[in-house]
Amino acid sequence: EDQVTQSPEALRLQEGESSSLNCSYTVSGLRGLFWYRQDPGKGPEFLFTLYSAGEEKEKERLKATLTKKESFLHITAPKPEDSATYLCAVLHSGAGSYQLTFGKGTKLSVIP
Amino acid sequence: NAGVTQTPKFRILKIGQSMTLQCAQDMNHNYMYWYRQDPGMGLKLIYYSVGAGITDKGEVPNGYNVSRSTTEDFPLRLELAAPSQTSVYFCASSYDYRETQYFGPGTRLLVL
Repeated sequence: EDQVTQSPEALRLQEGESSSLNCSYTVSGLRGLFWYRQDPGKGPEFLFTLYSAGEEKEKERLKATLTKKESFLHITAPKPEDSATYLCAVLHSGAGSYQLTFGKGTKLSVIP
Repeated sequence: NAGVTQTPKFRILKIGQSMTLQCAQDMNHNYMYWYRQDPGMGLKLIYYSVGAGITDKGEVPNGYNVSRSTTEDFPLRLELAAPSQTSVYFCASSYDYRETQYFGPGTRLLVL
């Protein structure tokens, strides 16, 4: 069964305390991996797309990396405004078509 | 560009009632999607469309219907509301299935 697992479920960091969020997947025919940020009461906001193992993308304090089995979202010196739920989604082939499978998310809280 | 817009933002339905959730995008995207998001669960695909007049079922289509008469609009119809349909519904669009999906702000539905 195609699965996308995010860990940890929740993470509390002090402002400036760097850490990483994990997204592991077991899917057939990986076509891409997406990271989204979701604030309470709002729709997911696109952050990064990674298409192949070894690829890295950066944006401000965030850096996403991809291996054959997992992706990491590294957060360097986070600020309170980085508090949100971070979603990982994997685009893969299945049942004769392509589908996007989402993880359950990691809720990040950054304490001043 | 407004991006992806959804109406209403919030709605309470009685069991057995019907309603249509509206979704529109102004990015000239071919692909449009409907997801539901339940607490503690990943986003689940309900229906998707690859262009005007073409729709297909996603992972959880039961109890829903869709139509796509124009590129811009993709309404989701609930015919006989049930408590199990209490959820937050997100519409998304993308230029191609491999490209980033852009999400609307969501519709929160409560069925009592």
